[in-house]
Amino acid sequence: AQTVTQSQPEMSVQEAETVTLSCTYDTSESDYYLFWYKQPPSRQMILVIRQEAYKQQNATENRFSVNFQKAAKSFSLKISDSQLGDAAMYFCAYRSANTGNQFYFGTGTSLTVIP
Amino acid sequence: NAGVTQTPKFQVLKTGQSMTLQCAQDMNHEYMSWYRQDPGMGLRLIHYSVGAGITDQGEVPNGYNVSRSTTEDFPLRLLSAAPSQTSVYFCASRRAGGVTSTDTQYFGPGTRLTVL
Repeated sequence: AQTVTQSQPEMSVQEAETVTLSCTYDTSESDYYLFWYKQPPSRQMILVIRQEAYKQQNATENRFSVNFQKAAKSFSLKISDSQLGDAAMYFCAYRSANTGNQFYFGTGTSLTVIP
Repeated sequence: NAGVTQTPKFQVLKTGQSMTLQCAQDMNHEYMSWYRQDPGMGLRLIHYSVGAGITDQGEVPNGYNVSRSTTEDFPLRLLSAAPSQTSVYFCASRRAGGVTSTDTQYFGPGTRLTVL
């Protein structure tokens, strides 16, 4: 099975500053998708951003962007101009392009935003 | 548009009791999944379905049953609850696609289950 590793259990950032959350994964496949999900205290999982492995260009969604390094199997999330509403647990996730519906999640990083 | 709904939000069971967690989606999604979330661990896949009448096991299926008689509903049954099944359970759905599909997975609000 694929494994997804988030080595930072907790991170903090000053409001309006930039923070980067790390994620590495292990796979022998070449075609797959990577995701970052946000889980606020409400517990609902919210998709933040996704990346197709076959695309070299890093995905961006407003203040959120990724640094996808396929050879290094690294997929970090950068949050720019951090806002209080960004405080949440962030999960990195992997899905093979070949096995349909099996997602593998990391253990999460708890992000605190300091006013 | 309700999206993915789960009931109940909270449940307390005694060891050995059985119960069903309900999940429904109104987006006509083919794929549905059940996950459990435990402290210090990521979400782990319990069972999933790729369409009505088709289910398969995920990473941690023991102690759980599922069925998918309609596209909309995907209930999760705990056959004989154990304290190890104390967790938060999430249901998710997404649209099927080809091998290049990157469709978003939509999650329900979760059910917090405690087994005493």
